[in-house]
Amino acid sequence: RKEVEQDPGPFNVPEGATVAFNCTYSNSASQSFFWYRQDCRKEPKLLMSVYSSGNEDGRFTAQLNRASQYISLLIRDSKLSDSATYLCVVNDRGYKYIFGTGTRLKVLA
Amino acid sequence: DAGITQSPRHKVTETGTPVTLRCHQTENHRYMYWYRQDPGHGLRLIHYSYGVKDTDKGEVSDGYSVSRSKTEDFLLTLESATSSQTSVYFCAIKTEYNEQFFGPGTRLTVL
Repeated sequence: RKEVEQDPGPFNVPEGATVAFNCTYSNSASQSFFWYRQDCRKEPKLLMSVYSSGNEDGRFTAQLNRASQYISLLIRDSKLSDSATYLCVVNDRGYKYIFGTGTRLKVLA
Repeated sequence: DAGITQSPRHKVTETGTPVTLRCHQTENHRYMYWYRQDPGHGLRLIHYSYGVKDTDKGEVSDGYSVSRSKTEDFLLTLESATSSQTSVYFCAIKTEYNEQFFGPGTRLTVL
């Protein structure tokens, strides 16, 4: 089992749709969780940290379920500019980060 | 913008030649990282540094060495480049909140 697993997609959704991604992780002792966005041929950019109580930033909502060991990202009212690859990242032991392979999202006009 | 730059941004080299990639940060972060990204793989850690002259290996460190003589600079060296080291290399820093921020990347092609 991979340490961090994501559905690679692609998820093709129309503009205005709501889309959700899940990511599972294997280490129950993992400490911090993040979603990054990566555009083609660019560096990953931090989208949001994921807190135990869940958190929201505009159209984006992240949730953490420690019991089932997964995190989720919900995007509401999708925009064309949301098209990208979304990376799930888990932080173990302070210095170590495990990256999922990413979920591709394409928002269609 | 976390003030991270990488140089060169693109490089084509031949098998067997040495290559050094540079990462520079402007915000005095203690932790710096080198990753490589290849299709079908998540970012994989090559080496990281937790202070000047303090470095440690990551999961794919074979064939790579690093040095950190100043807080702001973290160098990655391929002593003798091989075609399997063709990749995109990203440098990153870690903040006090455990968030990572990445440099723009270096595309390396080894012929």
